[in-house]
Amino acid sequence: AQKVTQAQTEISVVEKEDVTLDCVYETRDTTYYLFWYKQPPSGELVFLIRRNSFDEQNEISGRYSWNFQKSTSSFNFTITASQVVDSAVYFCALSEGMNRDDKIIFGKGTRLHILP
Amino acid sequence: GAVVSQHPSWVICKSGTSVKIECRSLDFQATTMFWYRQFPKQSLMLMATSNEGSKATYEQGVEKDKFLINHASLTLSTLTVTSAHPEDSSFYICSISGGDDTQYFGPGTRLTVL
Repeated sequence: AQKVTQAQTEISVVEKEDVTLDCVYETRDTTYYLFWYKQPPSGELVFLIRRNSFDEQNEISGRYSWNFQKSTSSFNFTITASQVVDSAVYFCALSEGMNRDDKIIFGKGTRLHILP
Repeated sequence: GAVVSQHPSWVICKSGTSVKIECRSLDFQATTMFWYRQFPKQSLMLMATSNEGSKATYEQGVEKDKFLINHASLTLSTLTVTSAHPEDSSFYICSISGGDDTQYFGPGTRLTVL
C-alpha cells in the first residue's frame, strides 16, 4: 500500500536560515507522481511542485529546491534563506498512478515556523 | 493550473441540520472532483471521488448516506452533510485534476456544528 511519511511534525528556524523538510514514500507502483503542497494559515492548499517517477532531476525554483532520490524513496524539500511568509504547513503527497484522476495520498504534514 | 472555488467558506449550524457545500471548477471542465476532510492539525483525508453524471466512490469508513455527493455538471460538485453532529465539525476541501495531471484545491469550507 502507498504511504507517505513526514517524520518532522514541527520545525522552527530563524529567518534567513535554510531548512529542509523530509519526505519518504512507499509504493509498489513503478509510475507515480510526487507532490509538495503548502497550506498557509488561511487554509487553502497551494501547489508547489509535481515530480514524476521517471524524472530524478533535482529542481530549483527561486528559494525552493527539491531533491528526489528513488534509491531511498525520498523527496525532500529545501527552503533557502527562509522568510516569515514561508511559515505554513507543508504536505508531501503521492499519487497512486499517473492518470489524471488517480487518488493522492498525503503525509501528515510538517508545520514550519519561521521566526523573525 | 486550475481555479477552484468553494461556497460557503465557513458555516455554523445546529446539530441535526443538513449543510450543503459547493465546489466549482471555474476554468476547467472536471469530470472528476475529490472531497477531503481535515481535522485541526491533521492531514487531509480523502472522503470520496465525485464523478460527473454517476455515483461517487466513497473511501472506506465514510458513510455515503451521511455525506451525499452530487456531481451534476462538469463544473459543480456538492457535498451535503446530512443530520450534522458536532463530530462532523471539520475543514472540508475539494479538488479537481487539471489538464496537467495535478490536483488543484479549493479554499476549503470550515464547518462548525453546535
